[in-house]
Parts: sequence; structure tokens; C-alpha cells
Amino acid sequence: DQQVKQNSPSLSVQEGRISILNCDYTNSMFDYFLWYKKYPAEGPTFLISISSIKDKNEDGRFTVFLNKSAKHLSLHIVPSQPGDSAVYFCAAMRAAGNKLTFGGGTRVLVKP
Amino acid sequence: ETGVTQSPTHLIKTRGQQVTLRCSSQSGHNTVSWYQQALGQGPQFIFQYYREEENGRGNFPPRFSGLQFPNYSSELNVNALELDDSALYLCASSVPGREWTDTQYFGPGTRLTVL
Repeated sequence: DQQVKQNSPSLSVQEGRISILNCDYTNSMFDYFLWYKKYPAEGPTFLISISSIKDKNEDGRFTVFLNKSAKHLSLHIVPSQPGDSAVYFCAAMRAAGNKLTFGGGTRVLVKP
Repeated sequence: ETGVTQSPTHLIKTRGQQVTLRCSSQSGHNTVSWYQQALGQGPQFIFQYYREEENGRGNFPPRFSGLQFPNYSSELNVNALELDDSALYLCASSVPGREWTDTQYFGPGTRLTVL
């Protein structure tokens, strides 16, 4: 039973445009959501997070939106840069929990 | 501030062997979590250690075991290796209780190949 899903395995976007990555979850007990970026041969790098008491969190070019009723979150990258080309993972956690549950990842390619 | 480090980077073993992977947590972090990432999938939680005690376990068999030391570094041991154990093993460290919950920071991983 996959509790966190990223339904788009890949995304291609032109440099300077917006990248929108989507993530759906099924477990209503999740309270905290995170996005990680992963380059080949490296571990995931934390990007941005949001708690369930908010619907938006912004950090520079990265914004995460949370729709609790739809059990859906998205990551917006504006403007996209070639260095953003990587695999992006959505992850979820319960409050005071001990484990992250990850989606399968979305590979983003930003074309110059 | 030193980040999470893992050793070795790569490892090749044969079926039935045993392996030990090592992780040093980020400075000031007392919690270490281990994840297995199979090719083309997201990381899956193996277990977590907090102050040298196991603090939660995922759906992995008992041949996956771990330790945490007083300096918060950690080991992951896998006995009786199987071909399906071939994966990237990731270690993450965190500090529980900071803000609302803790953010886990990952090391570069150990690539294990079982032949």
C-alpha cells in the first residue's frame, strides 16, 4: 500500500519557466510534509517543508502548497534553472513520528 | 558544521554473506534513521535509533539490525544477504523536538551490490 504517490515519473521544463511537481497521500494521520532533491551518487538534500496547519510555505524560488482536504501537495519552482535538474522526492511524517514515508520520485529536466 | 557521512561508498558482497555499514551523524544530532532505496524507487524506512535505543522499525526482517554508539554514530548490519538487498542505503540524522517535528538530513549513501 503506497501511502505517498508521485504520479509523474518525469517532467521537462524550459529554463526560466515554472516547474510544478505533484504529490498525493492517503494517510490522514500525516502532519508534516517535506520535499527532497537528489542528484546522482548523492543523498537526498532537504529543500522545503510544510506542516498541516499551513497551506503554503515559501523559501526563495521554492513554494510548497498543501491541500489537506484533497490530500495533495505540490512544489513550485520559479524560475527553473538548469541546476534544478534532479530527482525530487515528496515525503510525509506523522507528528512526533520517527519515519519518513517517501513517494517514488519525479525526475526533473530543465532545458537551457 | 560537519554533515552526515557514510562508509563505505560502495560495497560488493555475495549471497549469504554479512555486511556492516557505518554512519556518522551531523554535529549535534542525536537521532539516526536508516533507509533502503532500491533502483527507481523512493527510500524505505528500515529503523531509527535515538540515544542508543531502537525507536521504531519499518517492514524489514530481523536480519537487518543496527546499533547506535554514545557519540551518536550508527551501524547497519545485514546478515544472510539476498540478491534483493542490492540497493542504496541511506543514513539520516535529526534532532527530535526542534520546532514541531524534526527534519532528517541525509548522508551520501552506501551502494551495496549482492551477487
